Amino acid sequence: DTEVTQTPKHLVMGMTNKKSLKCEQHMGHRAMYWYKQKAKKPPELMFVYSYEKLSINESVPSRFSPECPNSSLLNLHLHALQPEDSALYLCASSHEPTANEQYFGPGTRLTVT
Amino acid sequence: EDQVTQSPEALRLQEGESSSLNCSYTVSGLRGLFWYRQDPGKGPEFLFTLYSAGEEKEKERLKATLTKKESFLHITAPKPEDSATYLCAVQANDYKLSFGAGTTVTVRA
Repeated sequence: DTEVTQTPKHLVMGMTNKKSLKCEQHMGHRAMYWYKQKAKKPPELMFVYSYEKLSINESVPSRFSPECPNSSLLNLHLHALQPEDSALYLCASSHEPTANEQYFGPGTRLTVT
Repeated sequence: EDQVTQSPEALRLQEGESSSLNCSYTVSGLRGLFWYRQDPGKGPEFLFTLYSAGEEKEKERLKATLTKKESFLHITAPKPEDSATYLCAVQANDYKLSFGAGTTVTVRA
């Protein structure tokens, strides 16, 4: 089973709202990732969690706040977003942080109004 | 800085018309090169990992090859369901994936 699940599939939020994106994997992977993908662009890495600890933060604005409650779950808390933050947010996982293959979830389509 | 360049940007094929996609890369210390398939509005689907020059991997109508400077994804006798964006990514010693911009393939029946 190489499934990574993400909820919700779609999210529309205003610039003053607070919302969260959720990601879950049951493959026993110890590394989890958040990516942002704009239309017709490749995914851009935002955060890497390794053994439930934040190991890479790609200088992402503080209005994005990641959280890893346990080894299977990864959240992305959103607050005071801007319209330019509208994108497809992808979660991925890999067996180890140094492992090669990353498996992606279906993504959450976020629209900020 | 790691660089990944994919060509062409878009490829329109007739069903059964074989072709190749190119991924050229510049990276310090290649740990692996990856091919993903992405359908519109969905997450990338893992296809192949290539580790060293000369290596080849196959899956159905797809075959990936690797040299020291580039990788090719060959699509043999494509079908309309092969229509997608194909992403190439490299992983260097810092373990992060660097993606190319992708090649959008459209296969007409």
